[in-house]
Amino acid sequence: RKEVEQDPGPFNVPEGATVAFNCTYSNSASQSFFWYRQDCRKEPKLLMSVYSSGNEDGRFTAQLNRASQYISLLIRDSKLSDSATYLCVVKQGGSGSRLTFGEGTQLTVNP
Amino acid sequence: GAVVSQHPSRVICKSGTSVKIECRSLDFQATTMFWYRQFPKQSLMLMATSNEGSKATYEQGVEKDKFLINHASLTLSTLTVTSAHPEDSSFYICSARDRTGGITNEKLFFGSGTQLSVL
Repeated sequence: RKEVEQDPGPFNVPEGATVAFNCTYSNSASQSFFWYRQDCRKEPKLLMSVYSSGNEDGRFTAQLNRASQYISLLIRDSKLSDSATYLCVVKQGGSGSRLTFGEGTQLTVNP
Repeated sequence: GAVVSQHPSRVICKSGTSVKIECRSLDFQATTMFWYRQFPKQSLMLMATSNEGSKATYEQGVEKDKFLINHASLTLSTLTVTSAHPEDSSFYICSARDRTGGITNEKLFFGSGTQLSVL
């Protein structure tokens, strides 16, 4: 089983749509969780951290369910510029800073 | 602006040659840097953890004699792909750990990546 699994995608949505991505992780000892976005052949960029209480940043809302080992990202009122691959990322505990990346879900927002 | 500089951004080389990729932290000292590889439509896979002044730690399945890592200073790590073959063609990305604000406030910054094509 992969350490981090995401919706396979791709997602094609019209502008203004709401889209949700799901992610599960296998290591119950994982301590930190993130969503990154990656444009084609570019480095991943941190979109937001994910907290147990859930957190929102503008049109983006992230949720974490530790009991189910499940992470989600909701994008409201999607824009053309949201088109990218969204990576679910899990960081193990301790001082190693090791990040484990999901394979990503590709989103295309169409006019 | 970028806080981690990675060069070159793209390299095309002949099979059998060696290619060096540099990763520099621009305004902080990075005792630890990470090297990833990403094949098309796949996830970033950690290849190795580069530690300043000591040997790199390689992930299972990554040949340390083929992917040479040197982290001789607090701001520079290099990855050398030796005797490159077409199957080494991939997108290589480094990241550097910034603990200037303490362990609990550490940040990871990514380089812009290197697209390696081996002919």
